[in-house]
Amino acid sequence: QSVLTQPPTVSGAPGQRVTISCTGSSSDIGAGYPVHWYQKLPGTAPKLLIYGDSNRPSGVPDRFSGSKSGTSASLAITGLQAEDEADYYCQSCDGTLSGCVVFGGGTKLTVL
Amino acid sequence: QITLKESGPTLVKPSQTLTLTCTISGFSLTTNGVGVGWIRQPPGKALEWLALIYWDDDKRYRPSLQTRLAIAKDTSKNQVVLTMTNMDPVDTAAYYCAHTGGSQSFFSFDYWGQGTLVTVSS
Repeated sequence: QSVLTQPPTVSGAPGQRVTISCTGSSSDIGAGYPVHWYQKLPGTAPKLLIYGDSNRPSGVPDRFSGSKSGTSASLAITGLQAEDEADYYCQSCDGTLSGCVVFGGGTKLTVL
Repeated sequence: QITLKESGPTLVKPSQTLTLTCTISGFSLTTNGVGVGWIRQPPGKALEWLALIYWDDDKRYRPSLQTRLAIAKDTSKNQVVLTMTNMDPVDTAAYYCAHTGGSQSFFSFDYWGQGTLVTVSS
């Protein structure tokens, strides 16, 4: 069971905007730890999309954006494209765990 | 250019010990703040963080697997090695190693290896 909760699935039509939520608690996101987002395509390694809540690595389109409020974070994708169909994972730190690193359960994005 | 590549057995028997090697290039494990982590993904399931080692040899483990895991680095070989004891079929997964730049990247995993699939079966 993941410490960070994500909806199992989201969907949207091409061109639309979708958001994926990542809900944590006062020991992780709510404690101020940064949230990161990864895109995972089948058979490929995860790709960092957003780091430190809202920062995009070089090369990531500005269609992808991240935000955080309280004990939750969100990934927004605008101008949805067929190539965005993938699994998306959030990651943060749980300060109560010696290892700290925690992932969400993942969200499957389907482009209709 | 930062790259990481995992290597190790593709098939292990139950109760055996798995040893995976991550060979890195484009960065040094002696650089302040740098770390290398191991993450796995069982078929059809979510990403699961396993272990992390930092430039100063600080080691962190997934609490539920801590007794089975060991991570070590060999800076002369530019390698990070993960060992997992008492393997079970539920440990069948794609295993990835990944770079973290520390505070510079807010401790995210910004570069990943291609992954290696490990099957546990007799």
